[in-house]
Amino acid sequence: EVQLVESGGGLAQPGGSLRLSCVASGFSFNNYPLHWVRQAPGKGLEYVSGVSPSGAATYYAKSVKGRFSISKDNSKNTLFLQMGSLRVEDMAVYYCVREADAFDVWGQGTMVTVS
Amino acid sequence: QAGLTQPPSVSKGLRQTATLTCSGNIYNVGDEGVAWLQQHQGHPPKVLSYRNNNRPSGISERLSASRSGNTASLTIIGLQPEDEADYYCSAWDSSLGAWVFGGGTKLTVL
Repeated sequence: EVQLVESGGGLAQPGGSLRLSCVASGFSFNNYPLHWVRQAPGKGLEYVSGVSPSGAATYYAKSVKGRFSISKDNSKNTLFLQMGSLRVEDMAVYYCVREADAFDVWGQGTMVTVS
Repeated sequence: QAGLTQPPSVSKGLRQTATLTCSGNIYNVGDEGVAWLQQHQGHPPKVLSYRNNNRPSGISERLSASRSGNTASLTIIGLQPEDEADYYCSAWDSSLGAWVFGGGTKLTVL
């Protein structure tokens, strides 16, 4: 079964840091671009960041550029999102997402609270 | 701020047809087209179609997607109670170098 499982969410203070992880299973991890998409409570989806299959190319939304860093460990089938200088507006459920023509596989999400 | 424009809500009756729209520009919707996602309350999104009208296996044939210029549409025929959900469009924006989403449309089946 193709699966993405996020972890690492929790409570952080404004200005603080958190590191999210996403463990993939059921597919060739290093063959697909992977992304983080977030959803604030009661709001829509917002693209956060993405990484190419090799990890060489990364993409960031303007709202997080310079504060967040995406990376992946192909040997451990794990995607990371290092979040720093957290703001109240970063509070959201963070989804790990596989890209194959579209965002075709989503994790269950991990909640990040900034307060 | 959403990169694509969707109406906030659409309401239709049971067994009727709903058409949801997604407007963008030549760099996103008008370029490689959109994917449509469905999200039920408390669940992650699920892809319904990609590159305008390619449906993943298991997605109902009652759903069809299309595009005209810089506007994409998702049509759902024979509305059922389980179609009540939030629907999002997404596209790659070549001018931004990033994926963008619509603000989402809440579909209510009366």
